[in-house]
Amino acid sequence: NAGVTQTPKFRILKIGQSMTLQCAQDMNHNYMYWYRQDPGMGLKLIYYSVGAGITDKGEVPNGYNVSRSTTEDFPLRLELAAPSQTSVYFCASSFRPRENTGELFFGEGSRLTVL
Amino acid sequence: GQSLEQPSEVTAVEGAIVQINCTYQTSGFYGLSWYQQHDGGAPTFLSYNALDGLEETGRFSSFLSRSDSYGYLLLQELQMKDSASYFCAVTGDKIIFGKGTRLHILP
Repeated sequence: NAGVTQTPKFRILKIGQSMTLQCAQDMNHNYMYWYRQDPGMGLKLIYYSVGAGITDKGEVPNGYNVSRSTTEDFPLRLELAAPSQTSVYFCASSFRPRENTGELFFGEGSRLTVL
Repeated sequence: GQSLEQPSEVTAVEGAIVQINCTYQTSGFYGLSWYQQHDGGAPTFLSYNALDGLEETGRFSSFLSRSDSYGYLLLQELQMKDSASYFCAVTGDKIIFGKGTRLHILP
């Protein structure tokens, strides 16, 4: 199994550009999440989804958009990139919290730099 | 809202025992998880407590007290490879992480 796959691993953007971070999981998880992690800091929840067609804001949603058209895919869109969005982005997935062992399965991360 | 507090740094000696505490405020609480993250890597799952008490997994144990909104991660027989950041996370309607505790291990 591939688990959670994120692409790209690295990307440099210019201010004002847009891009999409891709995330796919093959574990049939209902829940998917996007986090960002700034250097030396914890993970901040950007958006999450409890199933196909359902998304909700996390702690830091401004400047981002998501969609969930299938169970497997959960892309994160950055519109009008700003230097403050320079960060490492992690996608993760899990079973429903009530059925969960508590484990989030993470992708390897996408390191984004906005100049 | 949801918030978690954990110490920013802890230092211990190789072979010793260290405890990392976590206090939280949340709604819709299902459980408390712990993750390890080495520099440049993704977080990896260590343990989960849905009920009060101690869960043991090898050298790592985790404790939860729901009434006190408190938990801790206990690492025994510390090894140099345990040098990493450790995060507690509350599982509720969504999963929120603490800011992390950097564990330094001295030889």
